[in-house]
Amino acid sequence: QSVLTQSPSVSGAPGQRVTISCTGSSSNIGAGYDVHWYQLLPGTAPKLLIYGSKNRPSGVPDRFSGSKSGTSASLAINGLQAEDEADYFCQSYDTSLGGFVVFGGGTKLTVL
Amino acid sequence: QLQLQESGPRLVKPSETLSLTCTVSGGSIGRSSYYWAWIRQSPGKGLEWIGTIFSSGSAYYNPSLKSRVTISVDTSKNQFSLRLNSVTAADTAVYYCAREETRTRELDQWGQGTRVTVSS
Repeated sequence: QSVLTQSPSVSGAPGQRVTISCTGSSSNIGAGYDVHWYQLLPGTAPKLLIYGSKNRPSGVPDRFSGSKSGTSASLAINGLQAEDEADYFCQSYDTSLGGFVVFGGGTKLTVL
Repeated sequence: QLQLQESGPRLVKPSETLSLTCTVSGGSIGRSSYYWAWIRQSPGKGLEWIGTIFSSGSAYYNPSLKSRVTISVDTSKNQFSLRLNSVTAADTAVYYCAREETRTRELDQWGQGTRVTVSS
């Protein structure tokens, strides 16, 4: 049971827009902590896609964007491409139990 | 270009201790603007944060693993290490080391990961 909740799967056709949500609580996202997003492709290292809820590291296409409101955050992918098919995880920080890093359960994106 | 590389035994027997080392190249582990973390992904499951260590040697751990985990750092070798004792099959996973930004806490650089199997 992950501290942050994500839908298990989402799908979209090439060129479409999809959003992936991440729901937390008052002890993590709702407490003002940043949300970060990662892309996991099989056999490769996780890649940071979005940090600080809405910022893209150098090299990440602007098709990827992030937002945060209240106790939730979202990752949007515009102009879906076949290479975007991957697992996506959100991450934040939780102040309960002394404070610790928390992840969402992950969302599998399928490009139809 | 910063690189992280995990190393250690790929097979560990139940009840024994899992030990992994992360070697950092292309940057100093002693740089104060970063922390250093271990994360794992069990088969079919999501990412799980194990713990984080500061270059000073202070560490904090996932509450669910705290009783079995020790993370240490060796700045002279530019390495940090993970020890997880009393392992069971549930500890079978891909283990990643990563760099954690101190202020906003994102994990901005990752190792490739190493698969560790707990089995007799």
